[in-house]
Amino acid sequence: ILNVEQSPQSLHVQEGDSTNFTCSFPSSNFYALHWYRWETAKSPEALFVMTLNGDEKKKGRISATLNTKEGYSYLYIKGSQPEDSATYLCAASNAGNNRKLIWGLGTSLAVNP
Amino acid sequence: GAGVSQSPRYKVTKRGQDVALRCDPISGHVSLYWYRQALGQGPEFLTYFNYEAQQDKSGLPNDRFSAERPEGSISTLTIQRTEQRDSAMYRCASSLFDHNEQFFGPGTRLTVL
Repeated sequence: ILNVEQSPQSLHVQEGDSTNFTCSFPSSNFYALHWYRWETAKSPEALFVMTLNGDEKKKGRISATLNTKEGYSYLYIKGSQPEDSATYLCAASNAGNNRKLIWGLGTSLAVNP
Repeated sequence: GAGVSQSPRYKVTKRGQDVALRCDPISGHVSLYWYRQALGQGPEFLTYFNYEAQQDKSGLPNDRFSAERPEGSISTLTIQRTEQRDSAMYRCASSLFDHNEQFFGPGTRLTVL
């Protein structure tokens, strides 16, 4: 069974701090790793989809890395702003599991002004 | 349309009634997913389709839940003989193919009295 774990569960930082979260997943038969940003009362929005070991993607102040051999991905936010406050969801799919996404429980980020 | 749409946005029903939730994906998207989301939790996979074929229905809780996508576009999630524990936000998402980022609809908030 594919199990996706995220840490920390929640995080409080000050405006301007840089922060990072971890997503871990089983490395065998890996297919794809997704990061989504989710604000309460809205729908999740995709940040990144990564498939290759060593992939690094960046969107503004947010970046992500992928290590498929050891089964983890990091999401980095540089210079956090209050508008970055949201839950960051990670989801992984497995080639032997019909490629459906299995979602982690998310990291809830609060950025204090 | 420009994005994924779902109807109705809110549904209140009495226990024992059947409900049908509709999802209209982004035009041209091959893959369509149904999720259930409890308050403050990440998405819980229910089922997904590529074109009209149901690829995986392992997340459907029991045989009261079914989904179809007969022409490979619009999908309907049906819950028969609803129970109070079925109350949740039901979200639909679509993606170009099953390894691409998913675009989520606004969800249907189902309340079973």
